[in-house]
Amino acid sequence: GAVVSQHPSRVICKSGTSVKIECRSLDFQATTMFWYRQFPKQSLMLMATSNEGSKATYEQGVEKDKFLINHASLTLSTLTVTSAHPEDSSFYICSARPHSNDWTEAFFGQGTRLTVV
Amino acid sequence: GQNIDQPTEMTATEGAIVQINCTYQTSGFNGLFWYQQHAGEAPTFLSYNVLDGLEEKGRFSSFLSRSKGYSYLLLKELQMKDSASYLCAAVDSNYQLIWGAGTKLIIKP
Repeated sequence: GAVVSQHPSRVICKSGTSVKIECRSLDFQATTMFWYRQFPKQSLMLMATSNEGSKATYEQGVEKDKFLINHASLTLSTLTVTSAHPEDSSFYICSARPHSNDWTEAFFGQGTRLTVV
Repeated sequence: GQNIDQPTEMTATEGAIVQINCTYQTSGFNGLFWYQQHAGEAPTFLSYNVLDGLEEKGRFSSFLSRSKGYSYLLLKELQMKDSASYLCAAVDSNYQLIWGAGTKLIIKP
């Protein structure tokens, strides 16, 4: 299957600093990428949908100025958590699909465990 | 509103069979996914159903009934490595994924 690489897998940062998470589709072009957040023992919560070359669409309740998403190319999307606080500590996962109408499978990155201290 | 229901936790014995149910209510329907997620890892794709019926893939099978808004994941010949959370996700009319909370499956020797 297709490969989505997410980096870093784990990051610990100080409160008030910013953290950038990268999501790359390695063997296909992803017109759409999704960013999820998952708290312990809970399901995935969609944060935003990122389309190449345009602004991301954020879900209700997600602060777009705090969670900056850039999808500058067909193979790379980045999520920057700005001015991180301990409550931002979570598991962040990206997923990508090759074509906007292809729902046969969504490919996930490995996830990033963010801990803000 | 849109809603996905699946049991929170199930326990089964190694070598046995277990069925994990999922019911959904969505605005429109464009298929249903099952994913496996081990603790601390991202989900991995198991199956996608859009038509009624049973699809078998090795030890895992997935069933869908669109009229009943119901799906199940059937795991046969359970192995210890099958201990994980199993996530059900339905695709609505806007092609958005609506996720269930996941079913934690515990396999005992």
